Amino acid sequence: QKEVEQDPGPLSVPEGAIVSLNCTYSNSAFQYFMWYRQYSRKGPELLMYTYSSGNKEDGRFTAQVDKSSKYISLFIRDSQPSDSATYLCAMSKAGTALIFGKGTTLSVSS
Amino acid sequence: EAQVTQNPRYLITVTGKKLTVTCSQNMNHEYMSWYRQDPGLGLRQIYYSMNVEVTDKGDVPEGYKVSRKEKRNFPLILESPSPNQTSLYFCASSLGLAGGYNEQFFGPGTRLTVL
Repeated sequence: QKEVEQDPGPLSVPEGAIVSLNCTYSNSAFQYFMWYRQYSRKGPELLMYTYSSGNKEDGRFTAQVDKSSKYISLFIRDSQPSDSATYLCAMSKAGTALIFGKGTTLSVSS
Repeated sequence: EAQVTQNPRYLITVTGKKLTVTCSQNMNHEYMSWYRQDPGLGLRQIYYSMNVEVTDKGDVPEGYKVSRKEKRNFPLILESPSPNQTSLYFCASSLGLAGGYNEQFFGPGTRLTVL
């Protein structure tokens, strides 16, 4: 079993839809959870960061971590064409490098 | 502007011709890393460096070399490139791994094609 699993998609939604992106992981020692966004022909950029379990909201974006289920989610409300990108989950335990999911490609049509 | 720069951005070369991809960061970061990104395989770490003169292998180090003589620079060297090294390469840097929070800042990427 891979340490981090992420459905690669692609995922296509109409503008205004609610998008749910997910990752599962196997290592219960992971404590730091991130979502990166990567536009075409660009490097990934940090979008959301969560420590341990719980929710974090930033505008239209909400990150959730459920450590009991080893499951993290990113929700995008009122999705916009500018949200079209690849979203990568990443996680780590203290003192170690980030482990990335393979990324989910999202396309939001107007 | 705080950034990670890579050069070249695009490179087409032939099998066996040594090449170097440069990476530089201006954020005084201790940790630097190289990744390759391939369709269906995601980001895979090639090498990383915790600080000057300290480097270590990542998940896919075969066929690559790195050096960290200065804090800001972390070049990736392909001594004898092969077609299976055709990929999109990213350099990244962060403050370090201590404490766990490790936001990595990525460069713009280098698309390498080996014929």
